[in-house]
Amino acid sequence: EVLLVESGGGLIQPGRSLRLSCTASGFTFEDYALSWVRQAPGKGLEWVGFIRSETYGGTTEYAASVEGRFTISRDDSKSIAYLQMNSLKSEDTAVYFCTRDQRVDTAMVTWYYFDYWGQGTRVTVSS
Amino acid sequence: DIQMTQSPSSLAASVGDRVTITCRASQSMSNCLNWYQQKPGKAPKLLIYGGSNLQSEVPSRFSGRGSGTDFTLTITSLQPEDFATYYCQQSYSSPRTFGQGTTLVIK
Repeated sequence: EVLLVESGGGLIQPGRSLRLSCTASGFTFEDYALSWVRQAPGKGLEWVGFIRSETYGGTTEYAASVEGRFTISRDDSKSIAYLQMNSLKSEDTAVYFCTRDQRVDTAMVTWYYFDYWGQGTRVTVSS
Repeated sequence: DIQMTQSPSSLAASVGDRVTITCRASQSMSNCLNWYQQKPGKAPKLLIYGGSNLQSEVPSRFSGRGSGTDFTLTITSLQPEDFATYYCQQSYSSPRTFGQGTTLVIK
C-alpha cells in the first residue's frame, strides 16, 4: 500500500523557518518525483513545487509565490522528502500535502499527475 | 502561467442525477489535464488523468473528455458519496495550476 505521511507542521511566527517532512512507504521512492501542494483555510489547492527523481536529475521547480523562500529536497535512502520553508509569511498558512508524481512521457511533452496524496500537515504562521 | 477556469463554482444536484463540470484552460495544453475529488477535511483523490483516463478503483460513473483548452468531468447517476469538491489541474507546464474548484451539493 502506498503511504505518504507528512509531519513537522505547527504554529510559527512570521519570518521564521520550518521544515516539513514527507515519509513514504509502499513503493520504490527513488523512482518517483514528489510535489508539495497546499490549501489555505477555506480556499482551493495551490501547487508549491516539486522535485524530480535522481534519474531525471533531482531538479526542482517552484511556484512564484514561494520561489527563493522554499526548498524541496529528498533523501532516497530514507524515503523522505522535505520542504524547507524560510521567511514565512501569514499567507503561507495552509495545510501542506505531499504527493507522489506519476510521470508520463509522450512525443510532445513530459507531464506528471498526482496519483497519491498524504493526509496533510497544518502550518499556521502567526505572531 | 496557464489559468484554469472551472464552471460552475457550485452545483446542486440529486442522487441519481447526471452532472457535468467544465474546465477551460487559458492556452492549449494537449490532454495534460487531471481531475481530483476532495471531501471536507480529507486529502484530494485522483479521479481522471490525461483528460480521460480513469484512475484505478475509481467508479466508472466518472468520465473525462476534452483536449486542447476545453475539458469536462461527467458523473452519471450521482451517489451520496459523490457530493464533494472537484478540481481540475493542468500538468502541461509549470506552474501546475488548479482550477478554483466546483462544490457539488445535495439539492
